[in-house]
Amino acid sequence: NAGVTQTPKFQVLKTGQSMTLQCAQDMNHEYMSWYRQDPGMGLRLIHYSVGAGITDQGEVPNGYNVSRSTTEDFPLRLLSAAPSQTSVYFCASSSDSSRGEQYFGPGTRLTVT
Amino acid sequence: DAKTTQPPSMDCAEGRAANLPCNHSTISGNEYVYWYRQIHSQGPQYIIHGLKNNETNEMASLIITEDRKSSTLILPHATLRDTAVYYCIVRVYRDDKIIFGKGTRLHILP
Repeated sequence: NAGVTQTPKFQVLKTGQSMTLQCAQDMNHEYMSWYRQDPGMGLRLIHYSVGAGITDQGEVPNGYNVSRSTTEDFPLRLLSAAPSQTSVYFCASSSDSSRGEQYFGPGTRLTVT
Repeated sequence: DAKTTQPPSMDCAEGRAANLPCNHSTISGNEYVYWYRQIHSQGPQYIIHGLKNNETNEMASLIITEDRKSSTLILPHATLRDTAVYYCIVRVYRDDKIIFGKGTRLHILP
């Protein structure tokens, strides 16, 4: 199993551009989530999904959209990038019924100029 | 979710046990204690979790006080590779949201 994969690893955007951060897992996990991590900070939950077709907001959802059309994929969309969205983005998934034991991807480092 | 309080940083000598405290004085009866760590800029890694009994796995031990208001994560023989930020999280079983705080930065000293 590849586990949780994220692409791209690095990305530079100009203010106002849009892009999609990809996240995929091959473990047949129902629960997936997106976090952002700013320098010196802990992780903050952006959006999460408890299964295909179901998504919900986390702590900091503004400026981000998600959808979950398949169990494997959970893309994060930035519709109009802003410098405040410069961050490292982590995707995670979990299979256990408690959803507490999450597997994280390697992260995407995004810079918005 | 209940809030947790962790020291911002700690040092531990290589080979010694690292004891990382976490205070969760407002924890509810149905909330579990979880520990994760994040090594350098990698994605966080799950370590262990428990409700009220002490737990042990191949990575660490989790000691929860009888009143459940605090807990300690123990790395029995710390190595340089254990240098990381350690996060203590309390949450209800099957809660959809997993909220991370700022954690404790553990430095293992050679």
